[in-house]
Amino acid sequence: GAVVSQHPSWVICKSGTSVKIECRSLDFQATTMFWYRQFPKQSLMLMATSNEGSKATYEQGVEKDKFLINHASLTLSTLTVTSAHPEDSSFYICSASGRYGYTFGSGTRLTIV
Amino acid sequence: QQQVKQSPQSLIVQKGGISIINCAYENTAFDYFPWYQQFPGKGPASLIAIRPDVSEKKEGRFTISFNKSAKQFSLHIMDSQPGDSATYFCAASIGNTGTASKLTFGTGTRLQVTL
Repeated sequence: GAVVSQHPSWVICKSGTSVKIECRSLDFQATTMFWYRQFPKQSLMLMATSNEGSKATYEQGVEKDKFLINHASLTLSTLTVTSAHPEDSSFYICSASGRYGYTFGSGTRLTIV
Repeated sequence: QQQVKQSPQSLIVQKGGISIINCAYENTAFDYFPWYQQFPGKGPASLIAIRPDVSEKKEGRFTISFNKSAKQFSLHIMDSQPGDSATYFCAASIGNTGTASKLTFGTGTRLQVTL
């Protein structure tokens, strides 16, 4: 079946630094990648949608200069949280859309201290 | 019109019982309705999905019932097991599998299956 590998699974970094989260589709081409943020006991909140080779489309209220998304190939997309602050602490999840439907990564727990 | 309403928020079922989670939507353009299971600290995993051309789909212990006229769909988990204890999300999207259409998620249901 379809697998999306997401790394790191958890990361702790200091306030003001940048952190990169990577998602790879292992056995299929991901024409579109979705990035979500999830707060405890809440649903997934779509942050942005990216198509390979194109600029990402951000949802209303999501700062595109803070959450940089790169989808340079059909198997790799990255989310970089720039100048991270404690309020950016959350669970981030990617999802790849391909011929198998929507496949989710295992998530990244980001903690900013 | 983009919302998907999910109920109940939480559910406790005895082992061997039937768990039923309901979702309702407004946007009649939705034509793909998947369900996801999420364990704490993990990403959602695909369970089962249905399209509006069928009223029911069954995969193992999981069944989706779909009522197009009522714009409702539900997940039934037969013979519920403690290992089924997780959060379940319904979702909806426009377009066929593999397209760029985004998913609209329900609010989630926390299921606890007791011994």
